[in-house]
Amino acid sequence: QVQLVESGGGVVQPGRSLRLSCAASGFTFNTYAMHWVRQAPGKGLEWVAVISYNGRTQYYADSVKGRFTISRDKSNNTLYLQMTSLRAEDTAVYYCARDPQLVGAFDYWGQGILVTVSS
Amino acid sequence: DIQMTQSPSSLSASVGDRVTITCRASQGIRNDLGWYQQKPGKAPKRLIYAASSLESGVPSRFSGSGSGTEFTLTISSLQPEDFATYYCLQHNSYPRTFGQGTKVEIK
Repeated sequence: QVQLVESGGGVVQPGRSLRLSCAASGFTFNTYAMHWVRQAPGKGLEWVAVISYNGRTQYYADSVKGRFTISRDKSNNTLYLQMTSLRAEDTAVYYCARDPQLVGAFDYWGQGILVTVSS
Repeated sequence: DIQMTQSPSSLSASVGDRVTITCRASQGIRNDLGWYQQKPGKAPKRLIYAASSLESGVPSRFSGSGSGTEFTLTISSLQPEDFATYYCLQHNSYPRTFGQGTKVEIK
């Protein structure tokens, strides 16, 4: 069965960096685009970034452009989100999600990982 | 960017009630819309894709309709397990955008 498992979250000071990982299993990872979506405490869902199935194309939300980098490694079926220059407003639960593309969007989600930016 | 305006932001309903949630897109998105259910502390779960297609395993009391700019999620007979927050999502263009969410509470 499809599984997405995020890791790498935690508490980080403003201005510092953090890298999230999302381990994928149960499907052919390198045939799906993948996304990161976040949810600040008590707030709604916010799309963050996407990477194409082959890693050649990425798009970002304006709120993270220039600070976050999405990448993927097909050799270990893992999606990454490198976050730099973190701000308090980046505090959120971060989800990775699979994109089936021809059959809608975000069909499977990870369980989420909390990132807290605080001094 | 495409704005998704979802209404209402919250509603109170009883078990057995018919519930309707609406999303309006700021420009036409064909049928590139999904509906998601989220319970506290859990990841969102897809209910509807392509505006009106029911996800496998989702009860038939959930249905979606609409195309272009106006979309509706209907729960025909609300069940205790349906109390949750619901979001629409447009995937017609980047950035992907969600509605603000509708919290369905017990009356």
